[in-house]
Amino acid sequence: GAGVSQSPSNKVTEKGKDVELRCDPISGHTALYWYRQSLGQGLEFLIYFQGNSAPDKSGLPSDRFSAERTGGSVSTLTIQRTQQEDSAVYLCASSPGAYSNQPQHFGDGTRLSIL
Amino acid sequence: SQKIEQNSEALNIQEGKTATLTCNYTNYSPAYLQWYRQDPGRGPVFLLLIRENEKEKRKERLKVTFDTTLKQSLFHITASQPADSATYLCALRMDSSYKLIFGSGTRLLVRP
Repeated sequence: GAGVSQSPSNKVTEKGKDVELRCDPISGHTALYWYRQSLGQGLEFLIYFQGNSAPDKSGLPSDRFSAERTGGSVSTLTIQRTQQEDSAVYLCASSPGAYSNQPQHFGDGTRLSIL
Repeated sequence: SQKIEQNSEALNIQEGKTATLTCNYTNYSPAYLQWYRQDPGRGPVFLLLIRENEKEKRKERLKVTFDTTLKQSLFHITASQPADSATYLCALRMDSSYKLIFGSGTRLLVRP
């Protein structure tokens, strides 16, 4: 299909390891968002990319978190020196642009478990 | 402080009845409000968007209202079906902003 694709779907790793999560947005969508969803909680905004503009990193919880978006398409969220509190579902979404009346299209997320 | 509140308790209703879910917000002035459906292990799926100057929006069996005075949106599913069982999230968007601010969702269970 032509939806948002995330990989891996599940990731289990030991505390202190680095992890990389990947997001392939819908082709042509210029806006890309990363969210974190803890069990029973709403979505917590992490970072936003729009075209070639500087990303909005205001939601990243610590400097262990970083993200990049190469060529305006695929994005990678990296968590360094993982902690148990990083365990959550990480969701990626894309939209055609940044306009307020456009819905976001979500992938099914990466479920991250830190042992 | 700013808050978005959705009932954390599951809503349990009989098939065929109307489900009504509530989204209340405090200290926000949203220009848009969106509703999403989320199934277990899946990402949210967009359902409906309503603007601040719209009182009501309908799509098939779905209806959303938006009362900026009460700071509340109601989401209705008429003639509910077991397949409607899911978690429903509301999300606010301010004018000229790209950020969606999500509530924690309400789980709906429709009994056959």
